[in-house]
Amino acid sequence: AQSVSQHNHHVILSEAASLELGCNYSYGGTVNLFWYVQYPGQHLQLLLKYFSGDPLVKGIKGFEAEFIKSKFSFNLRKPSVQWSDTAEYFCAVTSLSGNTGKLIFGQGTTLQVKP
Amino acid sequence: EAGVTQFPSHSVIEKGQTVTLRCDPISGHDNLYWYRRVMGKEIKFLLHFVKESKQDESGMPNNRFLAERTGGTYSTLKVQPAELEDSGVYFCASSRYRDRDEKLFFGSGTQLSVL
Repeated sequence: AQSVSQHNHHVILSEAASLELGCNYSYGGTVNLFWYVQYPGQHLQLLLKYFSGDPLVKGIKGFEAEFIKSKFSFNLRKPSVQWSDTAEYFCAVTSLSGNTGKLIFGQGTTLQVKP
Repeated sequence: EAGVTQFPSHSVIEKGQTVTLRCDPISGHDNLYWYRRVMGKEIKFLLHFVKESKQDESGMPNNRFLAERTGGTYSTLKVQPAELEDSGVYFCASSRYRDRDEKLFFGSGTQLSVL
């Protein structure tokens, strides 16, 4: 069965620190990969996605993620975080051949950025 | 354009009672999904509608859960009778197309507490 594992459940950083959130998935076929973010009191929104092509994907608000197929990983990065990045981050996958809206989520990582 | 709206935002009920959650997707979105996040766990897929038809209900936990989408517009998710383990956040999402570029728009969720 497909599964997604996020390594860190709670991360605390100071402003301007660099961020890397780990995500590994388990699936034998071709997948689409996503990072979603939920800011306090808001709905889930798409941060970035990978379907094919360049494994380094750039998203909104300065975030990027790198797909490493050999490691089944899709880690999220940001060189310098801001207080406004405080949120919960979710890695997710879907099967390319299946229901593209049926997301398999990781458990989420809560990021707290201290001003 | 208006986003996905969910009602109520919070619901507190006693074990054995019935609760109905509602989701209004973005106008013109044929695809409607329900997801659930039990506290401390990952967000899990429940089911998928295409217009008024259930396309995939593989994630529905048991027959106490009933989802409908009358006329292919809004959807309801009824839990009857509610149990303690049903507590969590119920998310709805909608999309226009089902292809590799499918983009899900999520609602803010309904926080259900069963006491």
